[in-house]
Amino acid sequence: ETGVTQTPRHLVMGMTNKKSLKCEQHLGHNAMYWYKQSAKKPLELMFVYSLEERVENNSVPSRFSPECPNSSHLFLHLHTLQPEDSALYLCASSTSAGSFGAFFGQGTRLTVV
Amino acid sequence: AQSVAQPEDQVNVAEGNPLTVKCTYSVSGNPYLFWYVQYPNRGLQFLLKYITGDNLVKGSYGFEAEFNKSQTSFHLKKPSALVSDSALYFCAVRDPNSNSGYALNFGKGTSLLVTP
Repeated sequence: ETGVTQTPRHLVMGMTNKKSLKCEQHLGHNAMYWYKQSAKKPLELMFVYSLEERVENNSVPSRFSPECPNSSHLFLHLHTLQPEDSALYLCASSTSAGSFGAFFGQGTRLTVV
Repeated sequence: AQSVAQPEDQVNVAEGNPLTVKCTYSVSGNPYLFWYVQYPNRGLQFLLKYITGDNLVKGSYGFEAEFNKSQTSFHLKKPSALVSDSALYFCAVRDPNSNSGYALNFGKGTSLLVTP
C-alpha cells in the first residue's frame, strides 16, 4: 500500500465510449502525475499537476483530458480512444519539490476494443 | 535534455549470487536518482534514492546503489539475489535545475530473473 489508490484496476472500453480513471492520494502531496506504460516502451509522462495547476502536458492527444479538482484527487477523462491507447495508466504523487521521488498507484489496465 | 539509459533488457542471476542492474544518466548539474521495482500487474514501488551525500545508498529489501559521478552511473546491486527479487526494475532521474516540472524521467526498464 503506497497511499495512492487508482480505480478501476481494469477497464475495457469501446472506441466510442467515454470513461474516466480516478486517482486519490492521502499523503499530503501537492503534485500529481499521469504516466502511460506500454509494453516494451519506457514510461511516458503524460501530465503533471502542481498545486492543482497543470504544469506539464507532454504532447498528449486531446482524447485524453486530465482534471485535478483538489490536491488529493486526479482524473483522466477518456473519449474516442484508439486501440493503441491500450496500456497500463499509472498515477503518482510527490511533494512539489520532488526530491523524495514519487509514490505510484497500482495502475489501471486499459483495453480499447 | 535529461535521459536515463538501462542498457540491459534482461538480467539473469542464480539465487544466492550477487546481482547488478545497470543505469547511466545524462543530466547537467547534480541529479536526483531513483530506483523503482515493478511486480506483475502492480504499480511501481520505490526502492532507493540518491540526492546528495554518501555515494553508496542503501534501500529496501537489501538493495543498494552506487552513485558514480565520473561515469554518470547509478547501478543497482544486491549481494545475494532471491527468487522473489524477479521483477522489472526502473532507474529514474530528476534534474533539480530543470524548468520542465518536477516529474521523473524513467529508463525503459530491466527485467531481472533470479533462478533457483
